[in-house]
Amino acid sequence: EIVMTQSPATLSVSPGERATLSCRASQSVASNLAWYQQKPGQAPRLLISGASTRATGIPARFSGSGSGTEFTLTISSLQSEDFAVYHCQQYNNWPWTFGQGTKVEIK
Amino acid sequence: QVQLQESGPGLVKPSETLSLTCTVSGDSISSYYWSWIRQPPGKGLEWIGYIYYSGSSNYNPSLKSRVAISVDTSKNQFSLKLSSVTAADTAVYYCARVWFGGDFDYWGQGTLVTVSS
Repeated sequence: EIVMTQSPATLSVSPGERATLSCRASQSVASNLAWYQQKPGQAPRLLISGASTRATGIPARFSGSGSGTEFTLTISSLQSEDFAVYHCQQYNNWPWTFGQGTKVEIK
Repeated sequence: QVQLQESGPGLVKPSETLSLTCTVSGDSISSYYWSWIRQPPGKGLEWIGYIYYSGSSNYNPSLKSRVAISVDTSKNQFSLKLSSVTAADTAVYYCARVWFGGDFDYWGQGTLVTVSS
């Protein structure tokens, strides 16, 4: 099983600032990586698939990069609605696995 | 607009079988793969398995001996059965549509299932 490790566990950021979240895979997942946003009491929402392709309706301030084992989600200028938990997920190998999440909180 | 809705008991006794159904609207269940994912309270997400309308399925090895996912194309539904549950199976259970190669683009709202006597 591929283990996905996200860092940091919690990221404190001021509105308008840039946030950079990391996700590392225990072995290569090529570009088969997705990012999700989850707010309290809600289902996750797909942000990025294929490591860098924004899902339909996702604002341009969200961008994904990386391949192989190292991935990054960048939120260029945090808006109030962006404070949430972010999960990465690999779908290169079964079983598909998720990271433990990074909580982005208001500084 | 694709919508998914989970339904089923919110409380299951230890050693019994958890049964949930996901009803899909706005799309034909015959067009994609469909999955179950769960999230224990305060923890991360765990993929349980997926099914195709043909009945082809794939499960997480950690649950494979206890899981069965089935599909009913006439009702545009798919279902999850998890047997011999314990408290460790307490979680919010989500159904989702598999998009692209294995990510999930549409999700149900989730349903909390508690395993307790």
